[in-house]
Amino acid sequence: QVQLQESGPGLVQPSQTLSLTCTVSGGSISSGGYYWSWIRQHPGQGLEWIGYIYYSGSTCYNPSLKNRVTISVDTSENQFSLKLSSVTAADTAVYYCARGGTVATPNYWGQGTLVTVSS
Amino acid sequence: QSALTQPASVSGSPGQSITISCSGTSNDVGSYNLVSWYQQHPGKAPKLMIYEVSKRPSGVSNRFSGSKSGNTASLTISGVQAEDEADYYCCSYAGSNTCVVFGGGTKLTVL
Repeated sequence: QVQLQESGPGLVQPSQTLSLTCTVSGGSISSGGYYWSWIRQHPGQGLEWIGYIYYSGSTCYNPSLKNRVTISVDTSENQFSLKLSSVTAADTAVYYCARGGTVATPNYWGQGTLVTVSS
Repeated sequence: QSALTQPASVSGSPGQSITISCSGTSNDVGSYNLVSWYQQHPGKAPKLMIYEVSKRPSGVSNRFSGSKSGNTASLTISGVQAEDEADYYCCSYAGSNTCVVFGGGTKLTVL
């Protein structure tokens, strides 16, 4: 059974870079055919797609975040990561990592991690 | 404002059937059979209920079904139960520029 776990700072200063890592267990991140995604949920609000990286290395980012987002994979650690630069209070949210067999179909999710942007 | 439009809330009595709509455009729902539906209980991660418009993952009750007509997708829950009370989100592929979009979510209340 594949499991995903987010990790990273729970508090980030405004204008700094938010960095989160998703550790994958129960399966290799380098095995083919999967989309590795980041999704966030502002407090009390709906889900927002941040972006994904395909096993081939190709990426696709939410246009509204594209200039600030980078998603990368570390196959040696069986992890993938999210970096979101120049954060503001509007980036405060629960961040989820997820894996899907097709695009727009994440079926394995991490438990989510709350990141607060505040000084 | 979400890219896909869902009703904010729906309700039903136990045993009734309910349908949640998800309205998109020809750039997303209307162009791809890559619509999925998620159930989210408070404080929990979303759970995939339907993928590729109408397919059910293993372990999901057959009371859940999905369909699509034109630019609108729908999730139907037959014989709604108390445990189905949750938020439901639709999701669609939207092409190589926009990638993926979610609906704003629908809160299902079981009366």
